[in-house]
Amino acid sequence: ETGVTQSPTHLIKTRGQQVTLRCSSQSGHNTVSWYQQALGQGPQFIFQYYREEENGRGNFPPRFSGLQFPNYSSELNVNALELDDSALYLCASSWNRGRAEAFFGQGTRLTVV
Amino acid sequence: DQQVKQNSPSLSVQEGRISILNCDYTNSMFDYFLWYKKYPAEGPTFLISISSIKDKNEDGRFTVFLNKSAKHLSLHIVPSQPGDSAVYFCAASVMRSQGNLIFGKGTKLSVKP
Repeated sequence: ETGVTQSPTHLIKTRGQQVTLRCSSQSGHNTVSWYQQALGQGPQFIFQYYREEENGRGNFPPRFSGLQFPNYSSELNVNALELDDSALYLCASSWNRGRAEAFFGQGTRLTVV
Repeated sequence: DQQVKQNSPSLSVQEGRISILNCDYTNSMFDYFLWYKKYPAEGPTFLISISSIKDKNEDGRFTVFLNKSAKHLSLHIVPSQPGDSAVYFCAASVMRSQGNLIFGKGTKLSVKP
């Protein structure tokens, strides 16, 4: 059984650019959530996907968008990058939207310069 | 407005002694609580959880206590081991909602040999 994997592990982008982060969920999991963790903070909920549809969203602007594919893998897209978008982006998967225990990937460290 | 608070940024404990990590919350709608452990350069790892209908849950060396009237939970680690040194995050969820997790800022635990 493979765990949650994210790619890339590190990324440097310029302000105003667009970025796509990828996540492969754990085998058997159909729900994927994305979190942003700024330095010294806890992870903050961005949105969740369940069976390819957005199933809830945190307090993030529309330039943060996502996709979930039929194999339950997922992408996080961020447009018009700002310096404050620099953070660790975590993907978490779970069995279904009714289960709180989520299993996290190692994260993608995004630096916006 | 922080709904989940971990007021101690750090805690240092001697190997073999008890580690007690505390967490307070403000939202009375929370009905499920979780603890995660995070090592540097890794994603958070699920440790233990508790439903709001219980006041204690135990798993090996880890016990979580929930005091609903005080809106307070704690994680006890007995005995503490050097490998327990990590950042511990408290998280809460409203399971009737989509179940996204609200995290505290974390407590860095150092267990000294």
